[in-house]
Amino acid sequence: GAGVSQTPSNKVTEKGKYVELRCDPISGHTALYWYRQSLGQGPEFLIYFQGTGAADDSGLPNDRFFAVRPEGSVSTLKIQRTERGDSAVYLCASSFSGLGTQYFGPGTRLTVL
Amino acid sequence: GENVEQHPSTLSVQEGDSAVIKCTYSDSASNYFPWYKQELGKRPQLIIDIRSNVGEKKDQRIAVTLNKTAKHFSLHITETQPEDSAVYFCAALYSGAGSYQLTFGKGTKLSVIP
Repeated sequence: GAGVSQTPSNKVTEKGKYVELRCDPISGHTALYWYRQSLGQGPEFLIYFQGTGAADDSGLPNDRFFAVRPEGSVSTLKIQRTERGDSAVYLCASSFSGLGTQYFGPGTRLTVL
Repeated sequence: GENVEQHPSTLSVQEGDSAVIKCTYSDSASNYFPWYKQELGKRPQLIIDIRSNVGEKKDQRIAVTLNKTAKHFSLHITETQPEDSAVYFCAALYSGAGSYQLTFGKGTKLSVIP
């Protein structure tokens, strides 16, 4: 079946702008995760959704970052007033349940100029 | 929170030799340990995983061992091939207070020399 998909694959924006990154999880997966991966590092946890609710947002770096999953499927990560330090690959993953295997999407490479 | 240490950061082996990557974790409540392979510019792909009620798991040329007492787990790749060249990440799943976040190591860049 189809895996996790993310759009756009690349996003270039200017400092101070607002961006939205989209994630389509595997159909039927109730758990959805966002991670951020900087060059040469492992993915770092941002937020975890179980269904429509954010069960754990402890990894969000500050209040410029926000994510939603209104219908329990597609999720959008929103970043306000982007800064150059936000440049990274943003990865989405989904799993059948919280304890299930997490399958990753291809990521969105965000570049803030 | 959980902390995962991974060694070595780079590893070069001759084709056909074995490769071993080691990780340690800090939180004894972690109970699931996946390994991901990531090729340049691609998504992390699960290659093997192990849960805390098992000490060893094998899948063809790949095996993972877990020592819960020492909070240590390792990836073993035998008969390495050039296509095994990639960055490998270990991770530990912390499942506390209703959250299920993976904490990753910093990765090991494996180069298999033909």
